[in-house]
Amino acid sequence: AQSVSQHNHHVILSEAASLELGCNYSYGGTVNLFWYVQYPGQHLQLLLKYFSGDPLVKGIKGFEAEFIKSKFSFNLRKPSVQWSDTAEYFCAVTTGGFKTIFGAGTRLFVKA
Amino acid sequence: DGGITQSPKYLFRKEGQNVTLSCEQNLNHDAMYWYRQDPGQGLRLIYYSQIVNDFQKGDIAEGYSVSREKKESFPLTVTSAQKNPTAFYLCASTPQAIGNTIYFGEGSWLTVV
Repeated sequence: AQSVSQHNHHVILSEAASLELGCNYSYGGTVNLFWYVQYPGQHLQLLLKYFSGDPLVKGIKGFEAEFIKSKFSFNLRKPSVQWSDTAEYFCAVTTGGFKTIFGAGTRLFVKA
Repeated sequence: DGGITQSPKYLFRKEGQNVTLSCEQNLNHDAMYWYRQDPGQGLRLIYYSQIVNDFQKGDIAEGYSVSREKKESFPLTVTSAQKNPTAFYLCASTPQAIGNTIYFGEGSWLTVV
């Protein structure tokens, strides 16, 4: 069965620290990859997505993610986090249809 | 404003009662989804629908039912057969093209006592 694994459930960082959130998926075919973010009290919203082309994609608020096909990974990065990045982050994969599978989520807390 | 409206936002029900959560979208999206969000488990797909009068089971469909009589509406019924119904339920939609961004509603909190 298709699945998405996020390596860390909770991450605590100080402001200006670098962030990397891991995401691996299990599916051998073509995938579309997403990172969604849920800020406290807000809707889930798209952070960035990969469909094809350059495997390094840039999203909103300085986030980026790299698709490494050989590792089935799509890790999210940000060089310097801010207190306002405190949120829950979800990796998601769509495989050849309308079905999108989400990871369990990573709760990030940034200390001011 | 275009968007997805879920109602009610908070709902309390007694065990053994069916309850229906409403989801309406005015984005003209073809595909609609219901997810359940539990702490530590992320979003799990309950049902999805690609077109009117058609829907498919997701990963955790047992104890739930849906209908898609209109493009803009995709109500979810949580039946008494659902063993652990207390959860946060999210409705979502996406345009026709495969792999497009999913747009989410604000969610509905269901508590069964």
